[in-house]
Amino acid sequence: DTGVSQNPRHKITKRGQNVTFRCDPISEHNRLYWYRQTLGQGPEFLTYFQNEAQLEKSRLLSDRFSAERPKGSFSTLEIQRTEQGDSAMYLCASSLLGAEAFFGQGTRLTVV
Amino acid sequence: QQQVKQSPQSLIVQKGGIPIINCAYENTAFDYFPWYQQFPGKGPALLIAIRPDVSEKKEGRFTISFNKSAKQFSLHIMDSQPGDSATYFCAASIVSGTASKLTFGTGTRLQVTL
Repeated sequence: DTGVSQNPRHKITKRGQNVTFRCDPISEHNRLYWYRQTLGQGPEFLTYFQNEAQLEKSRLLSDRFSAERPKGSFSTLEIQRTEQGDSAMYLCASSLLGAEAFFGQGTRLTVV
Repeated sequence: QQQVKQSPQSLIVQKGGIPIINCAYENTAFDYFPWYQQFPGKGPALLIAIRPDVSEKKEGRFTISFNKSAKQFSLHIMDSQPGDSATYFCAASIVSGTASKLTFGTGTRLQVTL
């Protein structure tokens, strides 16, 4: 499978715990995006990378959220001290510069 | 501020019908308008996209109509099938430069009945 891969697919965590998600983009894609989608809503932009550089962060990305893309390959999104409001689907997408973005299957986070 | 408004919220059509989903945008700098299809528990999948230099684009049973002056675009699904039942999202972005993030509409849940 040469599509965007996200792990884990599902994560249940207790409030206050830290969680980390991983995204493996399509191999030749230099842009990688993170979005968050809550039930009944469209995806909302969180941040994106061009190669290893994080070029933009949404105001939705509080200081409890951090994303990295070491060496311009896979990316991780970490949420510290999770809150119930963090429960959502976290989507990763990748693209070539100026081309269509392809999404992964997402990681469903439930904070209990 | 919602930059892309989508309607209707939900839509039921019979098999063979032509559902139409509409979107309106505010930011005139947007220059790329894709439509995504999403099934429950899955990520959005790109269906078709249009740039503002054309007024219509067809790919298979899917057609985008684009009205630049009205800042509106719509998705038509010809000969709809039960397998088309999904949630559809319009989106917009600025492809040129560094700001190529997608701004999504709120989605339309389509049900195609037999």
